[in-house]
Parts: sequence; structure tokens; C-alpha cells
Amino acid sequence: AQKITQTQPGMFVQEKEAVTLDCTYDTSDQSYGLFWYKQPSSGEMIFLIYQGSYDEQNATEGRYSLNFQKARKSANLVISASQLGDSAMYFCAMRGGIQGAQKLVFGQGTRLTINP
Amino acid sequence: GAGVSQSPSNKVTEKGKDVELRCDPISGHTALYWYRQRLGQGLEFLIYFQGNSAPDKSGLPSDRFSAERTGESVSTLTIQRTQQEDSAVYLCASSLGAGFAFFGQGTRLTVV
Repeated sequence: AQKITQTQPGMFVQEKEAVTLDCTYDTSDQSYGLFWYKQPSSGEMIFLIYQGSYDEQNATEGRYSLNFQKARKSANLVISASQLGDSAMYFCAMRGGIQGAQKLVFGQGTRLTINP
Repeated sequence: GAGVSQSPSNKVTEKGKDVELRCDPISGHTALYWYRQRLGQGLEFLIYFQGNSAPDKSGLPSDRFSAERTGESVSTLTIQRTQQEDSAVYLCASSLGAGFAFFGQGTRLTVV
């Protein structure tokens, strides 16, 4: 079974600082994908970044990067130069399997608050 | 369509009534997912479809919950004899194969 663990229910960070949101996962699949989503107070789910299990390089998308440590089964999200608009819930998710799609499993989320 | 569309956006129903929630995925997306999110909580997996079949229904909370998908397109989540604990936002998402999932805006269900 696949499982995602996010151990930080809430984080408070000063504006312009970098922040790391933790995510560990458990799976028996050799091929899987890891995702991060942002959910602002409006409730929409916004895709941020993706990392494939066979990708050798850490994924980056603008201010977002994914610190992928396969041996430790961790996929931490790093946000550089945080902004007030980054305040939101952040969810780590994974999907296993090679062909087609399989169940997309989410962690419990981390509520990030950026202080001015 | 341009995105995942869910209807209704809000639904208030009386305890004991049946409700149907609809999801229109992005055209061509083979995978479709349903999640439940209670206030301040994470996303609780309900069911996912690959095409019109549901390989994993393990998240459906009880036999009051059912879902179907037709034409590899529209999906309907039905909750029979609603209870107050069913109150939540129900989110639908779709993806093309193993790509990232696009989410709809959700249906906020309130059972009174």
C-alpha cells in the first residue's frame, strides 16, 4: 500500500525566507510519481511540481524545487524567497505504477503561514 | 472542456435524502478520481476510475456511497440516505495517464 506522511501540521515563516515542507512516502512500486499541490483558502487545488522516481535531477519550477532523496523515501518541497501569497495548505501526493494511472494518494497537508 | 467541471457547486440536503454529484473531466483524460475533504482536513480518497472501470473502490466509506463513469467521460458520485457526517467538500480530479491531476472546484455538501 502507498502512504504519504507530512509531519508538519503547521509552519510559520517570515516573508522572503526559504521554507522546506517535509514529505516522506512508502511504496513497493519501483516506478512512481510524486506531486505537490497548493490549496489556498479559496479551496482550489493547484499543481506545483512533479518528480518521477527515475528522474535523476531534482525537479524545479520557478521558486519551487523538490528535494528528492530516493533512498530515504523523502520528497520535500522547498520554496525559495517566500511571499505572502504562499500562505496556504500544501499537500504531497504520490501515484504508483508504470502504465496508466493508479490511485493518487495524498498526505494530510501542511498549513504554511507567511508573516510580513 | 477547458477544465474539470463539478456540479452543483453547493448542495444543501436534508438528512436521509439521496444526492448526486457530477464531475465532467477534461476531455480525453483516462483517469478520474473522487476525494472527500472535511473542513480543515486532508484529502480522503474515495474511488478512482481508469476508463469506465473502477480498479480501486477501497475508499468508499459505506455502501451508501457509489460512483459510476460512462463513456470514459462524466462521473456521478451518489450518496444515499445522507447523514450529517457526509457534510464535506467533494473533489473530483482527472489526469491523462500517469500525469498530474487537474482538480475541479469541488461540491460543498451540507447535510442538515
